[in-house]
Parts: sequence; C-alpha cells; structure tokens
Amino acid sequence: QSALTQPASVSGSPGQSITISCTGTSSDVGGYNFVSWYQQHPGKAPKLMIYDVTNRPSGVSNRFSGSKSGNTASLTISGLQAEDEAHYYCTSYTSSSTVDGVFVFGAGTKVTVL
Amino acid sequence: QVQLVQSGAEVKKPGASVKVSCKASGYTFTNYGIIWVRQAPGQGLEWMGWISTYTGNTNFAQKLQGRVTMTTDTSTNTAYMELKSLRSDDTAVYYCARASSAWFDPWGQGTLVTVSS
Repeated sequence: QSALTQPASVSGSPGQSITISCTGTSSDVGGYNFVSWYQQHPGKAPKLMIYDVTNRPSGVSNRFSGSKSGNTASLTISGLQAEDEAHYYCTSYTSSSTVDGVFVFGAGTKVTVL
Repeated sequence: QVQLVQSGAEVKKPGASVKVSCKASGYTFTNYGIIWVRQAPGQGLEWMGWISTYTGNTNFAQKLQGRVTMTTDTSTNTAYMELKSLRSDDTAVYYCARASSAWFDPWGQGTLVTVSS
C-alpha cells in the first residue's frame, strides 16, 4: 500500500482541465514543500513535471501546475491534449517512522484523454 | 545535455546478484545525488535508496537493507546499484535519477532485471 493516495484514474476531453490529487499526512505532504510530480508514458522513464509543490522545470508546458492545501497536493492539467495521456505519480519527502524510506510515491493515476 | 545512461537488461537466477550501472554526463557529477527507483511489471514506482555522490553516504529503504549496495565512481561519473540474493519479486525495471534536494531529474532509461529459474 502506497503512503500517498492518488485516484486510480482521471479522464477528460481535449481542451478540458483535470486535477489529480495526492493525499498524505502531516509527516509528508502537509509538513514539507517537497512534493514533486512525474509523468510516465508506457515503456518510458518518468519525467519531472512539477517540483517543490508549484515549480515547473524549464521545458515543461505551462498547462501543468501544482498546488497544495493541508495534506493534499494537486496537479492540474489545463487544455488537455492527447499527448497528456499517461500515468502520473506524486512523491514527497517523509519524516514518518512508519514509512519505509525518506521519499514516498503515490500509486499513480492513469490519465485518459477521451 | 544532462543524461543518465544505464546498463543493459539482465536475466538472473534466484539467489544470484545483479549490478546495474548508471553513467552520468552533461553536469558536475558530485553536485547532485543519485536515487534508485524500481517498477515491477504493471506496478507503480518504489523508492529504493539514495547516495550522495560527494560523500558516498547512503540511505536505503528498510526492506532492502542487507541486500542492496549503492556506490559511485567519480572518476567515470558512474553510479552502481547491486542487489543480492535475488528473488522472483525483484523482477522489475530499475531506474537511476539525478537527485537535487527533493526532486529527481533526469532519469535513466531503465534496466530490466528478470529473476527466473
């Protein structure tokens, strides 16, 4: 069981906006601004999309944005495009003694463009 | 450009060991750490551990303690991950990634390790 909870799937039509949630605890998401998001297409390596909750690396479309409220972080994709269809994973630093490791991943969300 | 290139696919028998390499280029190797993440077939990402390329300090997932070793060779800008006493549930794609504080970018292309008798 992943330490961070993500919806298994989210879908939207081209041009729409969708939001993926990532819920943790005060020992990870809620306690630190160390949430990042990764996009993974089938058979490919993950790609950094958002880091430190809200920051977008150079080269990543400004259609991708991140936010956080309490113990839940969110990734929003606006103007959904066919190429956005992929799995998305959140990760956070954790100080929890019950979690194995210092970084935890969510189980991933499959984004489908209808 | 910044790039991590990993070694090729491996097939191992249960109980054997595997060593995966990750060669970095395009940046100062010792300015960033390296993390290792694995992904079992059809599953999500699992954090395995982290190594400081500057000090050699490591931090592993507890479930892998005693079986995993992470090292670096600063003369060749290469990181290594060795996993011993392989089991069938170690079958996965293993990724390295450059680590800066709490984010990981870029990632290597992945190395498929298959454990089968």
